[in-house]
Amino acid sequence: DTEVTQTPKHLVMGMTNKKSLKCEQHMGHRAMYWYKQKAKKPPELMFVYSYEKLSINESVPSRFSPECPNSSLLNLHLHALQPEDSALYLCASTLRDREGEKLFFGSGTQLSVL
Amino acid sequence: GENVEQHPSTLSVQEGDSAVIKCTYSDSASNYFPWYKQELGKGPQLIIDIRSNVGEKKDQRIAVTLNKTAKHFSLHITETQPEDSAVYFCAAMTTDSWGKLQFGAGTQVVVTP
Repeated sequence: DTEVTQTPKHLVMGMTNKKSLKCEQHMGHRAMYWYKQKAKKPPELMFVYSYEKLSINESVPSRFSPECPNSSLLNLHLHALQPEDSALYLCASTLRDREGEKLFFGSGTQLSVL
Repeated sequence: GENVEQHPSTLSVQEGDSAVIKCTYSDSASNYFPWYKQELGKGPQLIIDIRSNVGEKKDQRIAVTLNKTAKHFSLHITETQPEDSAVYFCAAMTTDSWGKLQFGAGTQVVVTP
């Protein structure tokens, strides 16, 4: 099973709101990721958590705050977002099989900032 | 850093025909090359991947080839079906920067019955 579950699937928020995106996997994957995808563009890496520690922050504005409470959960806390932050936010995790490690994505949260 | 170019940007094929998407990469240290299929409103789905110690890999109607010397890799879909219609992304990565996929711009594939 390579399932990565994201909630909610859709989110509409105002620029003064605080909201959180959630991601969950129960396969013991060692690393989890947040990617951002704008319409008709490829995904762009935001954060990497390896063994529950933040290992990569791709110069993401502080209005995005990641959190990894345990090896199965990954959150992305949102505060004071701008309309240009509207995008599909994708969580991913790494699974090792016979060939090596592979990156699997969740179905994403479609975020609209008004 | 790594730069991945993907062609064509759109591809229209007749059902039953073959589709080929090509990608080139710039960083000779890249050693892992996955392909993702993304349908509207969904996350990218890993459909096939290849590592630098292999030149070709096949999974049913899908195959990927890698030419390390020329730094290019290609996705081949045979006997296309309408459900193959989607956006396809190639990507490249080095194992020492795991998870930091560098994606191509994507190819919109449309399979017409």
